[in-house]
Amino acid sequence: DAGVTQSPTHLIKTRGQHVTLRCSPISGHKSVSWYQQVLGQGPQFIFQYYEKEERGRGNFPDRFSARQFPNYSSELNVNALLLGDSALYLCASSLVGGRGNQPQHFGDGTRLSIL
Amino acid sequence: KQEVTQIPAALSVPEGENLVLNCSFTDSAIYNLQWFRQDPGKGLTSLLLIQSSQREQTSGRLNASLDKSSGRSTLYIAASQPGDSATYLCAVSNSGYALNFGKGTSLLVTP
Repeated sequence: DAGVTQSPTHLIKTRGQHVTLRCSPISGHKSVSWYQQVLGQGPQFIFQYYEKEERGRGNFPDRFSARQFPNYSSELNVNALLLGDSALYLCASSLVGGRGNQPQHFGDGTRLSIL
Repeated sequence: KQEVTQIPAALSVPEGENLVLNCSFTDSAIYNLQWFRQDPGKGLTSLLLIQSSQREQTSGRLNASLDKSSGRSTLYIAASQPGDSATYLCAVSNSGYALNFGKGTSLLVTP
């Protein structure tokens, strides 16, 4: 069975541009979460979506937005890119969202570099 | 605000040794705790999830324990192998959805 898939794997942008990252969850999983991992740090929570609704948001500016589609795939959008947005962006899926006790399964991430 | 700390930050051991990785957290009102492995340039691989009502979980050579009242978890790796070399991350969930991660322990197992 395919795991969580993310595209693209690498991306280079310049300051001020916008970017869209994509994620397909494991088949049957209805919840998708996004995390940002800066080099040398643990991942930081950005969003969780479950059944196409936002269920949680981390401490990130409004430049970050996301959505979930009827097939449970998800997009993360970042506007007005800053140098500090350079990071590995990770997508995770789980069977259920909200206050569940299901493990989260991560993709290999999108490496975003801002010049 | 939940703070997760992992000690040590880095560890180097010879093949065959048993080892313990430590994780501590400041807010004991957690739903669960999850241990992950991350290889360089890769995503996270889920190793073990311990629910707040559980004390430990085992998978193969891995055993994770949870002491919620003291805010601590340990990951025990038996008979370490060079293939175990990776960064190990501990993450706790207070909300049931968002994970709060430590910075990880970088493990090197030498042949």
